[in-house]
Amino acid sequence: AQSVTQPDIHITVSEGASLELRCNYSYGATPYLFWYVQSPGQGLQLLLKYFSGDTLVQGIKGFEAEFKRSQSSFNLRKPSVHWSDAAEYFCALYGNKLVFGAGTILRVKS
Amino acid sequence: NAGVMQNPRHLVRRRGQEARLRCSPMKGHSHVYWYRQLPEEGLKFMVYLQKENIIDESGMPKERFSAEFPKEGPSILRIQQVVRGDSAAYFCASSLPLTEPDYEQYFGPGTRLTVT
Repeated sequence: AQSVTQPDIHITVSEGASLELRCNYSYGATPYLFWYVQSPGQGLQLLLKYFSGDTLVQGIKGFEAEFKRSQSSFNLRKPSVHWSDAAEYFCALYGNKLVFGAGTILRVKS
Repeated sequence: NAGVMQNPRHLVRRRGQEARLRCSPMKGHSHVYWYRQLPEEGLKFMVYLQKENIIDESGMPKERFSAEFPKEGPSILRIQQVVRGDSAAYFCASSLPLTEPDYEQYFGPGTRLTVT
């Protein structure tokens, strides 16, 4: 079975502060992992993906994520958050189908 | 290159009516996926189709829901006799064949179905 857990439903950070969104997965083999962002009323945009190789993955909009096999984690990070980053973020795993976590809503306070 | 297109963007149906949601994949993509997003939940896989074939429908409710991806035209997700619990956002995604090394699904903007 494959599953994705995003432990934080909501996170609030100050503009300019660093950000880390947590993602843990369960899968019997090496997974393909993704982070998507969804703005209100919009579809999903891919931020970054991990297939193999370097465990630190760079994405768009200044985001990065680190794959840690020993912790079954794929946390998303950004060193300095902008107000426009406020959105909902989904971690996803592809084993034999794409499985999403429940999402983390990011609020940015000025 | 146009992205994944879905229409309508918003659909209101009364209980018992039929809902038809359309998805046109990205140019060159032959694989389509449908997902449902209930309020305050993540996306849940429903069905995976290739042209004229259903590959995986393990996420589809057994009754009232059907999907097709004909040789010509868009993919259609059909919900018969809608109930209030069908109110959700329905997203379509498309991709290249899964053997491609750069596997990625591209998502459409979604159709928000409201059942009154």
